[in-house]
Amino acid sequence: GAVVSQHPSRVICKSGTSVKIECRSLDFQATTMFWYRQFPKQSLMLMATSNEGSKATYEQGVEKDKFLINHASLTLSTLTVTSAHPEDSSFYICSAREHRLALSYEQYFGPGTRLTVT
Amino acid sequence: RKEVEQDPGPFNVPEGATVAFNCTYSNSASQSFFWYRQDCRKEPKLLMSVYSSGNEDGRFTAQLNRASQYISLLIRDSKLSDSATYLCVVNRGTDSWGKFQFGAGTQVVVTP
Repeated sequence: GAVVSQHPSRVICKSGTSVKIECRSLDFQATTMFWYRQFPKQSLMLMATSNEGSKATYEQGVEKDKFLINHASLTLSTLTVTSAHPEDSSFYICSAREHRLALSYEQYFGPGTRLTVT
Repeated sequence: RKEVEQDPGPFNVPEGATVAFNCTYSNSASQSFFWYRQDCRKEPKLLMSVYSSGNEDGRFTAQLNRASQYISLLIRDSKLSDSATYLCVVNRGTDSWGKFQFGAGTQVVVTP
């Protein structure tokens, strides 16, 4: 149980284009999903918290107009990197917290999406 | 100062030996603590939660010291498959419910 998928697993795009990454909870409902970014040899950095049916909450320093988050259902959140630049190249990972375990702090991570902007 | 600090290592450990390492956190209001394991270029996977009384899961033992604001992980009888980066994860507290703060990880390399 508690499986989270991400799609695509790897994407290469040209500078200036937009890329959409999907995060799905496969066997549970997720009220809250989190989006992280990880640069090589660095820790995961929380970008934003995505709540189903409401606007995402962005961490300080993360541009909400550049990283568009939509959490349309209890099993799907999407992150769109708009007008991607080479410095956006990174490993993007989502995580989900199970709805029925609202008091639990455990998060289940997706396999990540490796974005390369050329 | 980083919110969560870890010794990056690597800790080179002979197979069968014991290795232990700590993680310090700066936010005294932190509520929950976890150890995650991350293999190269993969997503983090939950290893164990860390409870105030300390807890053990097979060869892994986690401890929490709230007074000194650190958690520890001990691995006994190390296996080659234990080679990974171990991430210390701290929940920021009641005003940031569910938000995780990750350490940069401690690399463990178990050698034959």
